[in-house]
Amino acid sequence: GESVGLHLPTLSVQEGDNSIINCAYSNSASDYFIWYKQESGKGPQFIIDIRSNMDKRQGQRVTVLLNKTVKHLSLQIAATQPGDSAVYFCAERSGGSNYKLTFGKGTLLTVNP
Amino acid sequence: GAVVSQHPSRVICKSGTSVKIECRSLDFQATTMFWYRQFPKQSLMLMATSNEGSKATYEQGVEKDKFLINHASLTLSTLTVTSAHPEDSSFYICSARRTSGTDTQYFGPGTRLTVL
Repeated sequence: GESVGLHLPTLSVQEGDNSIINCAYSNSASDYFIWYKQESGKGPQFIIDIRSNMDKRQGQRVTVLLNKTVKHLSLQIAATQPGDSAVYFCAERSGGSNYKLTFGKGTLLTVNP
Repeated sequence: GAVVSQHPSRVICKSGTSVKIECRSLDFQATTMFWYRQFPKQSLMLMATSNEGSKATYEQGVEKDKFLINHASLTLSTLTVTSAHPEDSSFYICSARRTSGTDTQYFGPGTRLTVL
């Protein structure tokens, strides 16, 4: 079946470093992608999204890159801070009108002071 | 904007009882709301899609008679776990999509259900 997966389940970085979280997706029909941040015991928080007609989108300290050729999505966090420690999920929408999202497994980001 | 609330945040109940969880979009209208379940250290699994004024669409393997969903207004959807059992203990999260605008789903803070 269709799936969204992540290359790295855990990532540990030093405060101030840049972080890169990767995600592979398998559904070539997916047209919309979102990155969410989830802190322990809380609901997912929207970080940034990108449509399939784009290959890069920037937000505040975050950048999402989309490579449709290899079905790869990444989230870059600049100057990572301890408050960025959380689980990060990528999610894809497979198209159509149902707006359903399929979530990846998640990557735990730990920022060391 | 785009705030979603859930109530209660935590609930502990006895096996065999029913529990209702509310999901509200506080500052926008949501034609579509989604209910997810998340087990520890796992990803979110979609349970059902709830559309205002119509029956919910359940994902494969989710019992519609056990997980009753009602989407009575553009700002409220409820999930009722009927005859709860310990294996239903989980983190239940709802999300809402704006009636107009983007495809983005905004998530509630989640409800921790513990069935004894």
